[in-house]
Amino acid sequence: GAVVSQHPSWVICKSGTSVKIECRSLDFQATTMFWYRQFPKQSLMLMATSNEGSKATYEQGVEKDKFLINHASLTLSTLTVTSAHPEDSSFYICSAAGQGTMYTQYFGPGTRLTVL
Amino acid sequence: AQSVTQLGSHVSVSEGALVLLRCNYSSSVPPYLFWYVQYPNQGLQLLLKYTTGATLVKGINGFEAEFKKSETSFHLTKPSAHMSDAAEYFCAVSSQGGSEKLVFGKGTKLTVNP
Repeated sequence: GAVVSQHPSWVICKSGTSVKIECRSLDFQATTMFWYRQFPKQSLMLMATSNEGSKATYEQGVEKDKFLINHASLTLSTLTVTSAHPEDSSFYICSAAGQGTMYTQYFGPGTRLTVL
Repeated sequence: AQSVTQLGSHVSVSEGALVLLRCNYSSSVPPYLFWYVQYPNQGLQLLLKYTTGATLVKGINGFEAEFKKSETSFHLTKPSAHMSDAAEYFCAVSSQGGSEKLVFGKGTKLTVNP
């Protein structure tokens, strides 16, 4: 149980384009989803927290207009990187928590974004 | 505010030897503590967690950790290392069971030598 998927697992895009990453909880209802960014050989940096049906709460320094987060249902959250630039290249990981996980966060496998 | 310090960014052990990964935390409220493991190019997998109750917590793959409030520590141990244990390990703290944000340590890379 407590499986979280992400799609795509990797994506390459041109500078200036937008990329959407999906995060799904497969066997539980995720009342809260989190989006993290991880640079090579570093720890995870929380970007934002989203609760189903509410606007996301962004961490300090994260541009909300650049990283659009939508948590439209109890099993799906999306992160859209708008007008991507090479510095946005990173490993993006989502996690989800809900009553079914005893409110413990379970993580997706991550999405590798490369912006050319 | 909460914080986590993982002592040792790299730990190397021989196969069959004891694994000890250190984690100290700071929290102004009773902490919930977690250990996650990350294999290359993958997400994080929960190893074990402490919420309340028994201070010795057993997790998957033979790992366990002990919550010591007086030492503000939550060290991860495994009696006998396997080659498959080689990975990055993250300690994390939250103020509730994970529905609040996790604060991660910087991680410890475990190498297991044959």
